[in-house]
Amino acid sequence: AQSVTQLGSHVSVSEGALVLLRCNYSSSVPPYLFWYVQYPNQGLQLLLKYTSAATLVKGINDFEAEFKKSETSFHLTKPSAHMSDAAEYFCAVSDAVDSNYQLIWGAGTKLIIKP
Amino acid sequence: DARVTQTPRHKVTEMGQEVTMRCQPILGHNTVFWYRQTMMQGLELLAYFRNRAPLDDSGMPKDRFSAEMPDATLATLKIQPSEPRDSAVYFCASAISWGSGANVLTFGAGSRLTVL
Repeated sequence: AQSVTQLGSHVSVSEGALVLLRCNYSSSVPPYLFWYVQYPNQGLQLLLKYTSAATLVKGINDFEAEFKKSETSFHLTKPSAHMSDAAEYFCAVSDAVDSNYQLIWGAGTKLIIKP
Repeated sequence: DARVTQTPRHKVTEMGQEVTMRCQPILGHNTVFWYRQTMMQGLELLAYFRNRAPLDDSGMPKDRFSAEMPDATLATLKIQPSEPRDSAVYFCASAISWGSGANVLTFGAGSRLTVL
């Protein structure tokens, strides 16, 4: 069965510092992988997705994530944090052969930006 | 921008009352999801529909929850009777499903339910 683990329910970084949010997945078949962001009092929105093309995926707001099959990871990074990046980030995995399309969600990581 | 519209945005009700939440998916999207988000449980899938047919509602307490899609522009989630443990934010999301797992969900802003 698929699963997603996000390491750290809260991550705190200083404004301007590197952001690294970790996501590990388990899947018996090639996965599709997603990062979604949820700003306060809003729904989730897509940051980026991996669908077996390039392993380094660029998303909105200078976020990017790298698919590493050997490590079963899909960590999210941003070179320089902005105050506006404060939000909760969710990693999700989908089975590429699951025609019923079940997304498995991580528990989320709250990103806190210190001025 | 096309968006998923949910109503009401906020609802406060008393235990035992019926609650109905509505969702207008993006025009042309054929898959609709209902999620519940709480601090304790995180994001839980309650039910989802493809082409208006229910595909999976195993995440939903059947005795009090029901989900329907009376037409392609409206999905409803009903709780009857409501209980304090139903207090949560309920999200609707829609997607165009190509039959693979690469589909992107577009979420509504959510309906925050408080049951007293």
